[in-house]
Order: sequence, then structure tokens, then C-alpha cells
Amino acid sequence: QSALTQPASVSGSPGQSITISCTGTSSDIGSYNLVSWYQQYPDKAPKPIIYEVSKRPSGISSRFSGSKSGNTASLTISGLQAEDEADYYCCSHAGTIPYVVFGGGTRLTVL
Amino acid sequence: QVQLQESGPGLVKPSETLSLTCAVTGGSISGYYWCWIRQPPGKGLEWIGYMHSSGSSNYNPSLKSRVTISMDTSKSQLSLNLRSVTAADTATYYCAKIRSGGASFDFWGRGTLVTVSS
Repeated sequence: QSALTQPASVSGSPGQSITISCTGTSSDIGSYNLVSWYQQYPDKAPKPIIYEVSKRPSGISSRFSGSKSGNTASLTISGLQAEDEADYYCCSHAGTIPYVVFGGGTRLTVL
Repeated sequence: QVQLQESGPGLVKPSETLSLTCAVTGGSISGYYWCWIRQPPGKGLEWIGYMHSSGSSNYNPSLKSRVTISMDTSKSQLSLNLRSVTAADTATYYCAKIRSGGASFDFWGRGTLVTVSS
């Protein structure tokens, strides 16, 4: 069982917006603005798409946005495209031990 | 652009030691935190541990008794040793750079699949 809770799957049609939630506790998400999100295609390494809750690395589309409220973080993808179909993982700082905790991952299907 | 490349045996016998190396190119290994993350087939990500070029390290409590991470700055290499492996340690192992500011991973290797089986 993962430390952070994500829905196993979400789906949406091209052009729509979807939101993936990531629920933690007051010891991780609730205590630090250090939530990150990763996109992973099958048999590929995870790719960072959001860090520090809402910042995008260079080259990441503005269609990806992140937010946090209390112990829950969210990733929103707007204007869904077929290429967005992938697994998405959230991650949060959790203090010294453990350093970070991950969510179990969410499979996004673009209908 | 920093690049990371994991290498090591793809098959390890139960009770033996899993040893992997991560070569860092395109940037300095010094002054940064580097870590290992693994992903069992069809499952999620698990942080294993990190090391700073200064020598400080930190490990996942669930693996701490079996894990050692080391670094050779002269070779720009990060290493992972996981002792007394079982089938549960079968996974793709990634090395990654920790972003300055902390707690996120800005560069990843492609990963290497290690299977534990006799």
C-alpha cells in the first residue's frame, strides 16, 4: 500500500480537462510545499512534469498544472491530447525519514 | 544536459547481493544529491535512498538494513548494493538526480530491470 493515495484510473475525451488527486497526511503533503508529479509511458522512465506543487520544468506544456489544499495535491491536465495517455505519479517530501513518499499511480486513458 | 545510465547484472540469485552502477555525464556529480528509486513490474515507485557528494546519505527505513549507496566522484558514478535479495526485490532500478530545493527528481536514468531468480 502506497503512502499517498491516488485513484487507480481516470479518463477523459480529447479537449477535456481532468484532475488527478493525491491524498496524503499532515506529515507529508500537509507539511511541505514539495509535491511533484511524474508522467510515465510504458517501459519508459518517469518524466517530471510538476515540482514544488505547481512549478513546471522547462519544456513542459502549460496544459499541466498542479495545486494543493491541506493534505491533498492535484494535477490538472487541460485540453487533453492522445499523447497524454500514460501513468501519473505524485510524490511528496515527508521529512527526514522517509525522505519522500510516492502515490500508487493513476492510469490516464484518453477516450 | 545531465544524463544518467544505470548498469549491472539483469539476473541475481536469491540471498545474493544486487549491485548496480549509475554513470553521470553532462554535468558535475559534486554538489548535488543523487538517489535510487525502484519500480516492481506493474507496480508503483519506491524511493530506496540518496547520497550527497559530501558523503551524507539517507535510506528508506524498509530497506535500510540491506542497502548501501556509495559515490565515486572521480568517476562520476553512483552505486547501489542491496544485500540478501528475494523475489520481492525484482524491479526496474532507476538512478535520479534530486532537484536543488529538494524532494523532487529532475533527471532520471532509463532504468535497468533486475530479476531475482535461481
